[in-house]
Amino acid sequence: GAVVSQHPSWVICKSGTSVKIECRSLDFQATTMFWYRQFPKQSLMLMATSNEGSKATYEQGVEKDKFLINHASLTLSTLTVTSAHPEDSSFYICSVPLRDRGNEQYFGPGTRLTVT
Amino acid sequence: AQTVTQSQPEMSVQEAETVTLSCTYDTSESDYYLFWYKQPPSRQMILVIRQEAYKQQNATENRFSVNFQKAAKSFSLKISDSQLGDAAMYFCAYRWGGGADGLTFGKGTHLIIQP
Repeated sequence: GAVVSQHPSWVICKSGTSVKIECRSLDFQATTMFWYRQFPKQSLMLMATSNEGSKATYEQGVEKDKFLINHASLTLSTLTVTSAHPEDSSFYICSVPLRDRGNEQYFGPGTRLTVT
Repeated sequence: AQTVTQSQPEMSVQEAETVTLSCTYDTSESDYYLFWYKQPPSRQMILVIRQEAYKQQNATENRFSVNFQKAAKSFSLKISDSQLGDAAMYFCAYRWGGGADGLTFGKGTHLIIQP
């Protein structure tokens, strides 16, 4: 299988500040990556599709100015939560589809964000 | 838009017995994939099994098998010989088959294994 990493695994930030979360595909290149959000005891919700070389595609209801996505290279996508609020506290997970396996998605270990 | 429904928030089974988790979905597409993912307390998503909609044969992976009823839009997961390590959240998920789309997840079922 493929290996996907996320950094940091846990971050605490103050309200009003911005925080950046990285998603890296360690052993294959990916033109597309996905970002999900998971609130406690809830399911994963797709937030956006990160596209290398072009703008991200956001799901309905996701504020693109608040959740900035940059697909910097074929192995790195970043999610920046701007002007964070306590309600942004959540578990953020990225996934990477592997084209050679029918776009089967490989998930990162997730990042727990706590906004105080 | 596609939806995925898991109607069992929690299920409990005795170790070594069999349990079935339910999932229904709604889509107007004919080309799609269905998945069952396991999320243990570590929260790492682990693929359990996948089913291509065009395949009539039900997918199996060791102790895990599915009952895919395309006309009924039902996709249940059967776990045989349940083990303590099977305890986790299980999510049913859908993806359109036409490209590299994101997944639509159900709300999940918390599976408890009684020793």
